[in-house]
Amino acid sequence: GAGVSQSPSNKVTEKGKDVELRCDPISGHTALYWYRQSLGQGLEFLIYFQGNSAPDKSGLPSDRFSAERTGGSVSTLTIQRTQQEDSAVYLCASSPTSGVRETQYFGPGTRLLVL
Amino acid sequence: AQSVTQLDSQVPVFEEAPVELRCNYSSSVSVYLFWYVQYPNQGLQLLLKYLSGSTLVKGINGFEAEFNKSQTSFHLRKPSVHISDTAEYFCAVKEQAGTALIFGKGTTLSVSS
Repeated sequence: GAGVSQSPSNKVTEKGKDVELRCDPISGHTALYWYRQSLGQGLEFLIYFQGNSAPDKSGLPSDRFSAERTGGSVSTLTIQRTQQEDSAVYLCASSPTSGVRETQYFGPGTRLLVL
Repeated sequence: AQSVTQLDSQVPVFEEAPVELRCNYSSSVSVYLFWYVQYPNQGLQLLLKYLSGSTLVKGINGFEAEFNKSQTSFHLRKPSVHISDTAEYFCAVKEQAGTALIFGKGTTLSVSS
């Protein structure tokens, strides 16, 4: 079946602009995660959604970052007033349940470059 | 707080040679352990995971890993690598009561003929 999809695959923006990154999880997966992969920091957790529960935002690096998940499916990660240090690959993952033993399935990522 | 250390940033090997990618972790609570592989311009793919039971875990593509609780290690091994194994490999841990994966910085495996 279809895996996790993300769009756009690449995004180039100017410093100070806002960007939106989209994630379509695997159908039926209730849990959704955003991670950031950058050269200096490796892979970092950003935010976690599970069903209708309040999201776990503990990994968001600043208040310029926000995310929402509409209808328990598609998620959008928004970065406001982008900075050059926001340049990274943003990875989305989903899993079937919120159980601690579940496997996270990753999308191909969105490569963001802030000039 | 948990952390994951992948001791080698790059591992060059010849085709058909054995390889070991090292991973150590620190945590004050019980964790689950994972290895993911990332091929160029692709997302992360799960290779194998340790949740409980036998400490020797077998995964896809002929990889295996051994959980050593006393040494807090989860090293990845393959007895004979192929050119197609060239990729970046990430070790990750998750608290048994947690949600987020904590990743190491990755090891680039380069297999040449």
